[in-house]
Amino acid sequence: DAGVIQSPRHEVTEMGQEVTLRCKPISGHDYLFWYRQTMMRGLELLIYFNNNVPIDDSGMPEDRFSAKMPNASFSTLKIQPSEPRDSAVYFCASSLGGRGSNQPQHFGDGTRLSIL
Amino acid sequence: AQSVTQPDIHITVSEGASLELRCNYSYGATPYLFWYVQSPGQGLQLLLKYFSGDTLVQGIKGFEAEFKRSQSSFNLRKPSVHWSDAAEYFCAVGAGQAGTALIFGKGTTLSVSS
Repeated sequence: DAGVIQSPRHEVTEMGQEVTLRCKPISGHDYLFWYRQTMMRGLELLIYFNNNVPIDDSGMPEDRFSAKMPNASFSTLKIQPSEPRDSAVYFCASSLGGRGSNQPQHFGDGTRLSIL
Repeated sequence: AQSVTQPDIHITVSEGASLELRCNYSYGATPYLFWYVQSPGQGLQLLLKYFSGDTLVQGIKGFEAEFKRSQSSFNLRKPSVHWSDAAEYFCAVGAGQAGTALIFGKGTTLSVSS
């Protein structure tokens, strides 16, 4: 079975440019999560969706960050304009059901983002 | 507020020796607890999870973890470490709506010496 698919795997761009990260969750999963991983702060939850609806975006660092989930099989995380401090590895994860479902989150391989 | 602490940033273990990685959590209700492993350049892979019931949980790759409510701990163990176990290990607690969102510890890097 296909896992969570993220693209691109690597992105290098100059500050001020718009960056779009993409995620395809596992088919049938109804929760989708975006995380950011840095050396300083570890893994941080940015936002998560349930049935394509954003539930908690309190982890989104600034208005420069936005996330959408137009359908059950696709989500984007956009940074505009990008800054060097946004450099990190961004992970997407998906899961089936909530607390009572006993289902874990499945992670993609991440997008390594470098802002010059 | 919910939090997870992994006191050891880096641990080195000889191949064949036993391993214990520590994890302490802070959570108001009954926690959902997880251990994930991350190899370089890879995403996170679930090793095991605790939701309820037996406090000793078996996972993949020969790992196990024990939930101790009195100590707010969920330590990961393996009786005999293999060189392929070298990776970064993350403990996490389920929080947020319906316990869905994960709060991760900062991770413990495991090195295996021959």
